[in-house]
Amino acid sequence: AQTVTQSQPEMSVQEAETVTLSCTYDTSESDYYLFWYKQPPSRQMILVIRQEAYKQQNATENRFSVNFQKAAKSFSLKISDSQLGDAAMYFCAYRSASGNQFYFGTGTSLTVIP
Amino acid sequence: KAGVTQTPRYLIKTRGQQVTLSCSPISGHRSVSWYQQTPGQGLQFLFEYFSETQRNKGNFPGRFSGRQFSNSRSEMNVSTLELGDSALYLCASSYAIGIYEQYFGPGTRLTVT
Repeated sequence: AQTVTQSQPEMSVQEAETVTLSCTYDTSESDYYLFWYKQPPSRQMILVIRQEAYKQQNATENRFSVNFQKAAKSFSLKISDSQLGDAAMYFCAYRSASGNQFYFGTGTSLTVIP
Repeated sequence: KAGVTQTPRYLIKTRGQQVTLSCSPISGHRSVSWYQQTPGQGLQFLFEYFSETQRNKGNFPGRFSGRQFSNSRSEMNVSTLELGDSALYLCASSYAIGIYEQYFGPGTRLTVT
């Protein structure tokens, strides 16, 4: 079974600074999709960014970007110009193109320091 | 477009009872997944339904079951509740099985006493 590992249970960043959250995954498949989800204290999980494994170009959504290293099976999330509203639990997730279940990491709790 | 809705939002049950949770997906979405979230275990996949059929299933005992209706609404049922079933149960919908990202509901907080 696929596994998703987030080795940083907690991270903190100064407001306006940049932070990178790490995620590694284990799979034998070649076609898959990776996601970062954000879960603020109110508990509603929302999608931050997604990456298709067949695309070499790293996905970017405003202040959020990923560093996708397929050979290393690494998928890190960079948050630039951190804002107080970025404080949340961040989950990395994997899903194969064949449509099997989503696999989630254990999450990284991000604190933004004013 | 309305988001994923879950009812009830909070629930308190006693051991041995059963409970049914409901999820209404985003309009047009035909896939619904259920997750159990606890501080110790994180987010664990329960099952996924598409077109009224269970397509994927996680490693949970048979006390956990679900179904999906023709309008894509889904319910999950937990019978013979145990203290360890206390958790936040999240429902997520997507357009279909496969590459599509999931959109999550606010969850149902179940407390078993």
